[in-house]
Amino acid sequence: SQKIEQNSEALNIQEGKTATLTCNYTNYSPAYLQWYRQDPGRGPVFLLLIRENEKEKRKERLKVTFDTTLKQSLFHITASQPADSATYLCALSTNAGKSTFGDGTTLTVKP
Amino acid sequence: EAGVAQSPRYKIIEKRQSVAFWCNPISGHATLYWYQQILGQGPKLLIQFQNNGVVDDSQLPKDRFSAERLKGVDSTLKIQPAKLEDSAVYLCASSLEINQPQHFGDGTRLSIL
Repeated sequence: SQKIEQNSEALNIQEGKTATLTCNYTNYSPAYLQWYRQDPGRGPVFLLLIRENEKEKRKERLKVTFDTTLKQSLFHITASQPADSATYLCALSTNAGKSTFGDGTTLTVKP
Repeated sequence: EAGVAQSPRYKIIEKRQSVAFWCNPISGHATLYWYQQILGQGPKLLIQFQNNGVVDDSQLPKDRFSAERLKGVDSTLKIQPAKLEDSAVYLCASSLEINQPQHFGDGTRLSIL
């Protein structure tokens, strides 16, 4: 069956460092992959989308990579700030737009 | 642009009662999704509409859950009868088209007593 695994534990880093979150999947051939941010009591907010034929995408301090051979995506936040503290979700999607979400990684950036 | 609107924000009911949630997507968005998010887990897709047609409802418990999207705009999700395991946040999302980023509402938190 399809399985998506994100960092199994919460991630704690110091302000200014780079946070790296992982998303591994099995038994799935996604057409594209998305990363979302979710704050407590709020709905997820879209951050980045990367398609299966793309290796890397960047947006300001964010970078995502997508390796379909390793079945893995890495999500980087450079120069992290306490305001980046949140839960980050990866979602794999088919060409029909059906999305399967991971359970998320909770990131805490300490000043 | 206005975001995805959902109501109510909170709902408390007893098991075996019925409940309905409402969603107003972003204007012009053709694709609408309903998700169930249990505490500590990621959102799980229940049903996906393209305009007013169903694209995927494979994970919708059809014996108790129903959803409709009349005129391809607003949508309602209903649970009848509710079970204790239905306690969760119900999220609605919309996208301009399939394969586009999804915009989420803040959800309805449902508690079953």
